[in-house]
Amino acid sequence: GAVVSQHPSWVICKSGTSVKIECRSLDFQATTMFWYRQFPKQSLMLMATSNEGSKATYEQGVEKDKFLINHASLTLSTLTVTSAHPEDSSFYICSADPPPDAGQFYEQYFGPGTRLTVT
Amino acid sequence: AQTVTQSQPEMSVQEAETVTLSCTYDTSESDYYLFWYKQPPSRQMILVIRQEAYKQQNATENRFSVNFQKAAKSFSLKISDSQLGDAAMYFCAYRVQGAQKLVFGQGTRLTINP
Repeated sequence: GAVVSQHPSWVICKSGTSVKIECRSLDFQATTMFWYRQFPKQSLMLMATSNEGSKATYEQGVEKDKFLINHASLTLSTLTVTSAHPEDSSFYICSADPPPDAGQFYEQYFGPGTRLTVT
Repeated sequence: AQTVTQSQPEMSVQEAETVTLSCTYDTSESDYYLFWYKQPPSRQMILVIRQEAYKQQNATENRFSVNFQKAAKSFSLKISDSQLGDAAMYFCAYRVQGAQKLVFGQGTRLTINP
């Protein structure tokens, strides 16, 4: 099956610094990747859709300048939280669309998530 | 707007019993896909089962089955012979054919009592 990895799994950073989270599709090429944010005991909130080679599409209310998304290759998308503050502390999950030859089922493959703590 | 509603924030069931999780959705589309995802304490999202809207037959995956009522826009998940490892958050999700977004419900926390 398609595997998506994230790195790091847990990161602690100081307020005002930037942190980068990587999302990789390990055994398939992902033209589209997605970034979600999840607060404790809540559902996943889509932050942005990332298409390889083009600018990410952000959901309403998500600050583009704070959450920088880059999808420079078919296997890697990155989320950079700039000038992080304690309110940015959350669980960040990426996902990827399966390759076309996997079938037209439209489910997404999810990474294991990254816990960000800003102190 | 397309929405997915899970009206049961929490459910519990005795081990080996059967439990049904509810999900309703609102859409004007005719071609779409429905999913149930499981999120255990590890927080890794795991696909449990999927249903294509054009299929009348309810999907089944081992102990997991769905009751898909297209006219009623209902998509419930039945877990038979519940096991301790089934304890998790369960999310119902919807995606229009050809669209990129996956729309999630609020989730139902399932507890299995030994």
